[in-house]
Amino acid sequence: EVQLLESGGGLVQPGGSLRVSCATTGFTFSSYGMSWVRQAPGKGLEWVSSISGSGSTYYADPVKGRFTISRDNSRNTLYLQMNSLRAEDTAVYYCAKGTIEMATITDYLWWGQGTLVTVSS
Amino acid sequence: DIQMTQSPSSLSASVGDRVTITCRASQGIRNDLAWYQQKPGKAPKRLMYAASSLQSGVPSRFSGSGSGTEFTLTISSLQPEDFATYYCLQHNSYPCTFGQGTKLEMK
Repeated sequence: EVQLLESGGGLVQPGGSLRVSCATTGFTFSSYGMSWVRQAPGKGLEWVSSISGSGSTYYADPVKGRFTISRDNSRNTLYLQMNSLRAEDTAVYYCAKGTIEMATITDYLWWGQGTLVTVSS
Repeated sequence: DIQMTQSPSSLSASVGDRVTITCRASQGIRNDLAWYQQKPGKAPKRLMYAASSLQSGVPSRFSGSGSGTEFTLTISSLQPEDFATYYCLQHNSYPCTFGQGTKLEMK
């Protein structure tokens, strides 16, 4: 069974940094693209970043240059390094698994439970 | 970037009603569209993929249609568990974009 488990969320001051992780089981991690999607309190879903199985990366404009997505295929884990955090980055961050092996872009069937990142002084 | 315009943003309906939600893409996206249902405090759940394919385990009262720029999600007969927020997602090109969401509330 596919499982995605985020961790690393918490309270951070504006301008600070945080790294969230997504540990996965139940599938061949290196074969699938993975993504981060966030949801600010009371707001809609927002795609943040994706990384293909081969390591190509993609970012939404609001986070480009501040966030870095990466993956450790030996640990079956996805990461999102968030720097220069702003109040508007406050959100639940979900990791999501792509649906098609080795595809550059897909939709998502499997999601984690989310981890809350709060940026506040 | 492709913009997804979803309507309505909210909808009041009763059990048994037929409801339709629309997503319009700012440019053609073939059928690279999925529909999600989200309940408070939970991760999104995929209902439809490739615009019109029903996700396994999802009741057949849900259906999707469309291709190119115009897409619809229809619930043929609302059940109490269907009151939730619905989103479309285009995955034709990066950046992926979600619609703004439709909150389906009980009348």
